[in-house]
Amino acid sequence: GENVEQHPSTLSVQEGDSAVIKCTYSDSASNYFPWYKQELGKRPQLIIDIRSNVGEKKDQRIAVTLNKTAKHFSLHITETQPEDSAVYFCAATGFQKLVFGTGTRLLVSP
Amino acid sequence: DSGVTQTPKHLITATGQRVTLRCSPRSGDLSVYWYQQSLDQGLQFLIHYYNGEERAKGNILERFSAQQFPDLHSELNLSSLELGDSALYFCASSVGPGGPPEAFFGQGTRLTVV
Repeated sequence: GENVEQHPSTLSVQEGDSAVIKCTYSDSASNYFPWYKQELGKRPQLIIDIRSNVGEKKDQRIAVTLNKTAKHFSLHITETQPEDSAVYFCAATGFQKLVFGTGTRLLVSP
Repeated sequence: DSGVTQTPKHLITATGQRVTLRCSPRSGDLSVYWYQQSLDQGLQFLIHYYNGEERAKGNILERFSAQQFPDLHSELNLSSLELGDSALYFCASSVGPGGPPEAFFGQGTRLTVV
């Protein structure tokens, strides 16, 4: 079945810096790769996603890139702000389910 | 608000007991997924239902079961509860196979077993 690895597990940056979170997946049939942001005690919220027929997608300060050959996808956050502090999960479609990475705790210091 | 509703928000119960968690998907969504999130852990897939039928099973314990009803709401039943079952339980919904793949989560049920 699908397996998703996510790195790093913790990321600390200064406000205004960029943050990059990387994921790899195992199932070459996966074709949808969402990213979720989860604040403490709250629901995971879909922030951006990318489909397998696209290499890059951008939404304001957030961008995702996908390398299907290498089975890598990444989340890029530019000009980080304290409110970006949260746990971020990547995911990939497995058979009839979304398989999540283990999460990255992002801390943005003012 | 994601449009996915879970009840109750909090549940405290004793070991050995049985509880039922409820999830109402977004209007128009036929798929419901259940996930377990233990303290500071990731999202572990439990089970997926589509239009009333079980479609995929993850590492769901035999003490746990789920179903999806004709009105598409779903229930997750947890029995013979153990301390280690304490966790946040999320459901998510999506249109289903062949439709837009976006999945949206409910606010979760926090289960505490004492």
